[in-house]
Amino acid sequence: SQKIEQNSEALNIQEGKTATLTCNYTNYSPAYLQWYRQDPGRGPVFLLLIRENEKEKRKERLKVTFDTTLKQSLFHITASQPADSATYLCAPSFTGGGNKLTFGTGTQLKVEL
Amino acid sequence: EPEVTQTPSHQVTQMGQEVILRCVPISNHLYFYWYRQILGQKVEFLVSFYNNEISEKSEIFDDQFSVERPDGSNFTLKIRSTKLEDSAMYFCASSETGLAGYNEQFFGPGTRLTVL
Repeated sequence: SQKIEQNSEALNIQEGKTATLTCNYTNYSPAYLQWYRQDPGRGPVFLLLIRENEKEKRKERLKVTFDTTLKQSLFHITASQPADSATYLCAPSFTGGGNKLTFGTGTQLKVEL
Repeated sequence: EPEVTQTPSHQVTQMGQEVILRCVPISNHLYFYWYRQILGQKVEFLVSFYNNEISEKSEIFDDQFSVERPDGSNFTLKIRSTKLEDSAMYFCASSETGLAGYNEQFFGPGTRLTVL
């Protein structure tokens, strides 16, 4: 069955460092992958979408990579700030899979001063 | 900036009662969704809705659930006979299109449903 894996353990980093979060998937080949941010008690907020023919996508301090051979996406936040503390969710999707989002469990990021 | 709104923010109900959760999607969006998140677990897809009919539903979305767009702005989720395990945060979302690869979804703030 299709599986999406994200680090279940929280990632603690110091302010100013680069945070790297991992999303691995098995048993399917997504055509694109989305990353969302979720704050406690709030709905997910869209951050970035990357397609299978794109190796990398950037938006301000955010960078996403998509390696279809490794079946992995990496999400980077450079120059991290305490305001970046949240849970980050990945959602790989494939063409013909409808328009629903299937989320991973998310990785909680804590940026400390 | 346009946003998805949901009411109520918190609903407490007795087991077996019917509840209706309400959402107002972004006005020019055509696709509407409901997701749920049980405390401490991942966000799970329930149903998608387009052109006044369900386009896809998950195994969770059984006969006790229904959705409706009663007018041009509201989108509702009804749970006919609530169970304890329905306690969760319910998120409504909308998107401009349903095209694969162009499917950024905008989520509402959620309704916390507590079934006693």
